[in-house]
Amino acid sequence: KQEVTQIPAALSVPEGENLVLNCSFTDSAIYNLQWFRQDPGKGLTSLLLIQSSQREQTSGRLNASLDKSSGRSTLYIAASQPGDSATYLCAPRLRAGKSTFGDGTTLTVKP
Amino acid sequence: DGGITQSPKYLFRKEGQNVTLSCEQNLNHDAMYWYRQDPGQGLRLIYYSQIVNDFQKGDIAEGYSVSREKKESFPLTVTSAQKNPTAFYLCASSRGRDNYGYTFGSGTRLTVV
Repeated sequence: KQEVTQIPAALSVPEGENLVLNCSFTDSAIYNLQWFRQDPGKGLTSLLLIQSSQREQTSGRLNASLDKSSGRSTLYIAASQPGDSATYLCAPRLRAGKSTFGDGTTLTVKP
Repeated sequence: DGGITQSPKYLFRKEGQNVTLSCEQNLNHDAMYWYRQDPGQGLRLIYYSQIVNDFQKGDIAEGYSVSREKKESFPLTVTSAQKNPTAFYLCASSRGRDNYGYTFGSGTRLTVV
């Protein structure tokens, strides 16, 4: 059974800092890995989707990397802003209906 | 705009009642999913459907039922057999192939009163 761990569970940084969120998973036979953002009481918003054949994906200030063989992905946020405050979840996908979600990293960016 | 609509946003259930959560998508996605989220935790899969008139149990299907009569719709019924139904319920869809990502709805918060 796939197990997903996200470290740290919570992170508080001053505005403008660059930061890295970590995601590790136990079964490396994944099709892809998706990073999401969740605001309190809201649904999940997709940030980046990395296919198993890719090493990284970028969108604006966000960069996600994937090392499938070691079961790791990182989400890099450059020049953090207070609006980035949210919970970030990663979800590696083994096959249909088999995405496993981490418990998330709750980020607070202080003005 | 294409997307997933979940309704209602908030739902209250009395002990012993069945309630149905609605999920509708206009993305023309083949696959649809129901997840449950408890405070401070990740998402757990309840049921999923890859095609109309077919669905599979997820990790925590006991006490729940679904139907998939139309491609656009995947309602979830929380039955009285579900002993701890208070949670945040999220519906998602994808194109159905394994290399596509998920799109999520805005969720329904169910509370037992």
